[in-house]
Amino acid sequence: DAGVIQSPRHEVTEMGQEVTLRCKPISGHNSLFWYRQTMMRGLELLIYFNNNVPIDDSGMPEDRFSAKMPNASFSTLKIQPSEPRDSAVYFCASSSEGASGYGYTFGSGTRLTVV
Amino acid sequence: KQEVTQIPAALSVPEGENLVLNCSFTDSAIYNLQWFRQDPGKGLTSLLLIQSSQREQTSGRLNASLDKSSGRSTLYIAASQPGDSATYLCAVLNQAGTALIFGKGTTLSVSS
Repeated sequence: DAGVIQSPRHEVTEMGQEVTLRCKPISGHNSLFWYRQTMMRGLELLIYFNNNVPIDDSGMPEDRFSAKMPNASFSTLKIQPSEPRDSAVYFCASSSEGASGYGYTFGSGTRLTVV
Repeated sequence: KQEVTQIPAALSVPEGENLVLNCSFTDSAIYNLQWFRQDPGKGLTSLLLIQSSQREQTSGRLNASLDKSSGRSTLYIAASQPGDSATYLCAVLNQAGTALIFGKGTTLSVSS
């Protein structure tokens, strides 16, 4: 298996533009997580899906952020409109054992820069 | 609200040295605690997971301990090597059981 695949690896966009980050989880994993990593705040959970259903979205910063998981093999995180403070590395992770902590596999991340 | 703290933020040691990384958490009601490794430009890789009922876990040169009552965990690395250079993060499962709460990590540099 190629692991968790995220695209793009790097994204530079202007303030106000829409940004879409993509994630393909490991086949057979029923849970998917979006995390954001910054120097100031470290790694924070944005949203957790189980069997394609959002279970915990309490970490989504505001209405500008939205996440979807239309099927078991694909998820998107959209920011509209983007702001400079959204600059961070966004990680997607998947697991076959829910949010228990077991078997998390992380993607390599998308480094987002909003100028 | 659960908070996870890792001290020091950075550590530099010569090759061969044994070292200890520290992790503390504010709420002792955890399900488990996990140590991850993050290499520059890469995602996280799980190293060790300790269940709340366990006191320690070992994998090769790594040994992780857990003291729930004091809200502390340590990661012991024996005979450090340059290849151990990375950022090490600890994480605990939140009370709702829906997310890992991470510390900000300790960046380790092992010089040859």
